[in-house]
Amino acid sequence: NAGVTQTPKFRVLKTGQSMTLLCAQDMNHEYMYWYRQDPGMGLRLIHYSVGEGTTAKGEVPDGYNVSRLKKQNFLLGLESAAPSQTSVYFCASSVPGQAYEQYFGPGTRLTVT
Amino acid sequence: ILNVEQSPQSLHVQEGDSTNFTCSFPSSNFYALHWYRWETAKSPEALFVMTLNGDEKKKGRISATLNTKEGYSYLYIKGSQPEDSATYLCAFIGNTGFQKLVFGTGTRLLVSP
Repeated sequence: NAGVTQTPKFRVLKTGQSMTLLCAQDMNHEYMYWYRQDPGMGLRLIHYSVGEGTTAKGEVPDGYNVSRLKKQNFLLGLESAAPSQTSVYFCASSVPGQAYEQYFGPGTRLTVT
Repeated sequence: ILNVEQSPQSLHVQEGDSTNFTCSFPSSNFYALHWYRWETAKSPEALFVMTLNGDEKKKGRISATLNTKEGYSYLYIKGSQPEDSATYLCAFIGNTGFQKLVFGTGTRLLVSP
């Protein structure tokens, strides 16, 4: 089992460019999440999904869109990147039966110049 | 907005010292409290998932207690070792609506040999 994987690991964007971060899990988890981690801020939820075809906003959704076309994949899109989106992005998955214990991916470090 | 606070923010101890951290969370609408261990350049990994008032969990030299009525959890490390150096995160899950996690900002522990 690979667990939760994220692509890419690093990326540098110019302001205004777009990109998509891919998260994949092979544990058949229903729930998937995207977080961003900034110094002094902890992990903040961007968007989440409770199942294939469903998505919902988290704490800091502005500037991001998501899609969950397949159960195992959760995509995070930046339509027009801004320097404020420079961050480390973590994907996670969980199941309700484990009190939503989070299984995290390795993270994607994004820099927007 | 739910507030989850951790103290201290950082801690520097000597090998062999015992130490403890605090996580404070809302005392109403409790569903679960998670503790994660986050090593530098890696992703967070779950240590404990706690759901009942009075829960005590133990894994090797690390243990945790939970008091849902007063809204706090303690994490203890007995006989700290350099490999315990990491950031320890707690996350609160409420039982209203979808069970989204709210993370504290973490306690960064450094154990010197």
